[in-house]
Amino acid sequence: DTGVSQDPRHKITKRGQNVTFRCDPISEHNRLYWYRQTLGQGPEFLTYFQNEAQLEKSRLLSDRFSAERPKGSFSTLEIQRTEQGDSAMYLCASSESRARDDEQFFGPGTRLTVL
Amino acid sequence: AQKVTQAQTEISVVEKEDVTLDCVYETRDTTYYLFWYKQPPSGELVFLIRRNSFDEQNEISGRYSWNFQKSTSSFNFTITASQVVDSAVYFCALSAGAAGNKLTFGGGTRVLVKP
Repeated sequence: DTGVSQDPRHKITKRGQNVTFRCDPISEHNRLYWYRQTLGQGPEFLTYFQNEAQLEKSRLLSDRFSAERPKGSFSTLEIQRTEQGDSAMYLCASSESRARDDEQFFGPGTRLTVL
Repeated sequence: AQKVTQAQTEISVVEKEDVTLDCVYETRDTTYYLFWYKQPPSGELVFLIRRNSFDEQNEISGRYSWNFQKSTSSFNFTITASQVVDSAVYFCALSAGAAGNKLTFGGGTRVLVKP
């Protein structure tokens, strides 16, 4: 068990470009979550999946954001036409809903800088 | 809607001093879960503890202890005999309804332990 992994760890892009992040959850976990953390703040929920179904989306997730988990394993988060306000740490977490202890385990995050 | 407030933004102590981090929460749900996470300088969120709303028993784990009081909607965290390695940002979080639901985080408290 290698824990939750995220790729890339850092991304620098120019305003207006599209970016895509990947998250690989802990292998037996059926739930996968995306959060965003700006400097000096706590993480904020964006969306989550149970298997391949996207069950909830935050109002923070504008039309420029899309998340997928096509086979119920890894997930991608795409941001189109990036803006400077998108600069943040994007955190992925996973959990097993059928387990007694279904707390969320977090990955190392992808830090996005939009110039 | 849920809300978590961590009024202390930063606490600085000298090694071996005790430090208590405050957390106050708001929710209309009768079933909810409270969490503490640690975020060291490396950035990865580390799970510390989970409590459910029906269990007000305080807990001690090594140098860490937690005090849950429903009457004041508080879930405070104490580090006894602090060490330099305890330097990190600590987040209190809440999930309503089930532990695997989305987390609502507080703004975090930065703890700096000086040698």
